[in-house]
Formats: sequence, C-alpha cells, structure tokens
Amino acid sequence: KNQVEQSPQSLIILEGKNCTLQCNYTVSPFSNLRWYKQDTGRGPVSLTIMTFSENTKSNGRYTATLDADTKQSSLHITASQLSDSASYICVVSGGSTLGRLYFGRGTQLTVWP
Amino acid sequence: EPEVTQTPSHQVTQMGQEVILRCVPISNHLYFYWYRQILGQKVEFLVSFYNNEISEKSEIFDDQFSVERPDGSNFTLKIRSTKLEDSAMYFCASSGRQGENSPLHFGNGTRLTVT
Repeated sequence: KNQVEQSPQSLIILEGKNCTLQCNYTVSPFSNLRWYKQDTGRGPVSLTIMTFSENTKSNGRYTATLDADTKQSSLHITASQLSDSASYICVVSGGSTLGRLYFGRGTQLTVWP
Repeated sequence: EPEVTQTPSHQVTQMGQEVILRCVPISNHLYFYWYRQILGQKVEFLVSFYNNEISEKSEIFDDQFSVERPDGSNFTLKIRSTKLEDSAMYFCASSGRQGENSPLHFGNGTRLTVT
C-alpha cells in the first residue's frame, strides 16, 4: 500500500534553534518527493521537490534530503523564526498512476519566542 | 506572484443540498486539481482535470461529485447532495505542466460545513 508517514506528529522549539522533520514512504514506483508548508487555514505552499537522483535540495533556511534506497526524507530548518510555525507536509508522487500525490499527515511545528 | 483563488472561503449548507465551490487557477496553467482535507486528517486527492476532461479521479469522487471548467478562467467542484461527511476543507490546485517536477500551486481553500 502506498503510504507516507511523518514524525514527529508535533514539535515545539525555541526561536533561533534548528530542527529536523522526518518522512518515510512506501510509494512505488517513486517519482519525486515534495515538502510543503501549510499555515493554519491556508493552502499548502511548495518548499522543495526532489527526484530520485537528487539527495539534497535547499530553499533558504530549508534543506531537504532524500535517501531513495531507504525511502526516507528529512526537512531541516535552520535558525527557526516565529513565522516557521506551521504544518510541514511530506508528499510523494508515484504509484501506479503517473503524477498521483500521496500526502503525509504533516508535522505541526510551533516556534516559541 | 500569480495565485490560485477560491471562493467562498467558508460555505455552510444543509445535508442534501447542492454546493458549488469555485476556483480561479493561475491563468496560463493547464492542469487543475481538487483536493480535500477533513479536519485533523491528511490531504486527499479528489480529481485532476486537463483539456476539458477528467484525467483521473479517486475513490472519493463518486457520482455526487462533478467538475467543470465553464469558461477560460473558472474551475468548479459541484457536490450534488451533500452529506455530513463531506464537511472538509476543499483545495483547488493548478500546475503549468504535467509530470514529475511540476509544482502544484494551491488556493487557500473553501471550508465546507454540512449541517
């Protein structure tokens, strides 16, 4: 079954600290892996997209890694800011239907001052 | 930066009523999608639309659901006879191309409450 699992479910950190969010998936065949940021009451916004051949990609203070062999990804946030408080969703594209997206439940990150 | 816009932001309806959720995708995009997110749960795919027809739909998208692109700018999702379990946030998304690395641009959603 094609699934995307994220951990932790929620995380609280202090402003300025770093954190790492995890994603494991079983989607096969694999096409790409995306990380989205979703603010409360808003639509998801794309942070990174990685294909099979990419094992790291950065977008400002966000750095995503991908290990396609172990089917794991992480999202590292550096020097967190209050505005980073949001849900971070791991999304995997693949499966038997080209372009189908499988969403994780998200990690709810709260940054405290 | 162009964005996907959705209206209304919140819709309350009675069970059994028809609702139409509206979306204006980014103007030069060709691929359109509807997703939903029940409170506290993950985002779920409903349907994708290209070249004026449905290209894929999920098990959720049954006969009660339909989509339409009535003109060059709007993309609508109709639920014919709403049920309590249709209460969710509905997101429209669009992309400029299909395929592996095309980013999806999401609207801010319509919160549908069925009473």
